[in-house]
Amino acid sequence: ETGVTQSPTHLIKTRGQQVTLRCSSQSGHNTVSWYQQALGQGPQFIFQYYREEENGRGNFPPRFSGLQFPNYSSELNVNALELDDSALYLCATQTGASAGQETQYFGPGTRLLVL
Amino acid sequence: EDKVVQSPLSLVVHEGDTVTLNCSYEVTNFRSLLWYKQEKKAPTFLFMLTSSGIEKKSGRLSSILDKKELFSILNITATQTGDSAVYLCAVSHNDMRFGAGTRLTVKP
Repeated sequence: ETGVTQSPTHLIKTRGQQVTLRCSSQSGHNTVSWYQQALGQGPQFIFQYYREEENGRGNFPPRFSGLQFPNYSSELNVNALELDDSALYLCATQTGASAGQETQYFGPGTRLLVL
Repeated sequence: EDKVVQSPLSLVVHEGDTVTLNCSYEVTNFRSLLWYKQEKKAPTFLFMLTSSGIEKKSGRLSSILDKKELFSILNITATQTGDSAVYLCAVSHNDMRFGAGTRLTVKP
């Protein structure tokens, strides 16, 4: 157990809908990264938040947006859902802002199915 | 274009075998290479490598990085059924880029 929690665990939506996924970080971890993992592939970086500010973004369209709150919990919002958005969404937390200079701790993920 | 390539994509072995998983990369501003084990959902951290030639070891698992040839290997000796999982390699540069993973199946 990493102390990182995500909700919900599973979610089914239809095309065009909007979804909000949540991540609670481990105590003291002020950086959160979000990843999308399609079936049979490795996680793809969506974006990272450090102390409530976006601190890097991968190759995802603007309909993927995020928030980080003062308690360092985070949300991932996806608008206008498409079938290809079906995936496991993982959040990972760490104490510092630089990716790869310390261990990231992953949550159990939210599995999203878009019909 | 930045990329991380893992091989093989899948591997089936029997308990007691030794396996070597490969990860090659091409990224700008390399910071570190990380190995994760993913059994069901959350990847769990195995190793972080930043320097060439220094082996990291944890029980039956070990890993080493070659920054000149741009690759890393993960070795698992005396494999057990509990080692069955997807092993992910990730390279940290401007962000974190993962390979597609190697699915290891260890049969009794």
